[in-house]
Amino acid sequence: DVKVTQSSRYLVKRTGEKVFLECVQDMDHENMFWYRQDPGLGLRLIYFSYDVKMKEKGDIPEGYSVSREKKERFSLILESASTNQTSMYLCASILDRARPYDGYTFGSGTRLTVV
Amino acid sequence: QKEVEQDPGPLSVPEGAIVSLNCTYSNSAFQYFMWYRQYSRKGPELLMYTYSSGNKEDGRFTAQVDKSSKYISLFIRDSQPSDSATYLCAMTWGGSNYKLTFGKGTLLTVNP
Repeated sequence: DVKVTQSSRYLVKRTGEKVFLECVQDMDHENMFWYRQDPGLGLRLIYFSYDVKMKEKGDIPEGYSVSREKKERFSLILESASTNQTSMYLCASILDRARPYDGYTFGSGTRLTVV
Repeated sequence: QKEVEQDPGPLSVPEGAIVSLNCTYSNSAFQYFMWYRQYSRKGPELLMYTYSSGNKEDGRFTAQVDKSSKYISLFIRDSQPSDSATYLCAMTWGGSNYKLTFGKGTLLTVNP
């Protein structure tokens, strides 16, 4: 079973802090994604990466950056956390993005609260 | 107009009921249509997918796509309390395109 592990289940951070959300997958997947999920807005893509050190912006990249130094690890960085970044953050991976029907494997999410 | 519209519910049904979940979409280029199920405090997991138009059945679940109407459905027969979850539709036009477009999800509760 492919596993996508997100390092924290719950996080509380202060406004202005730099926040790191970590995601690790164990099945050698090329493609990794960061989404945020908000009531009434659904899942929105923040960034994705299709290879080590490669990244592309999704629909809502503002206020975020990412890092992928190793294939199995994809980090989401909130440079200066703000209250409107309070959300559930979900990491996902897939071996071949040309085969979306294989299904993305999601982590269980990190619920971030910025106070 | 949003690309994918999905009624968020919530939807509450008695055990054994037939459930119908639906999404509409505006982008006629979409070719792959997926349904994800998300249990509380978990990430979504792929339930079924359909390519282009038609029906697909998997046990108690049936996925339907009507491309002429830009409408997709998921039917759950003999619903069980374990089916209680949020159901998200997702779609893409495939190829090397990375982007899945998700509906907002419908929260379903099946009452014993």
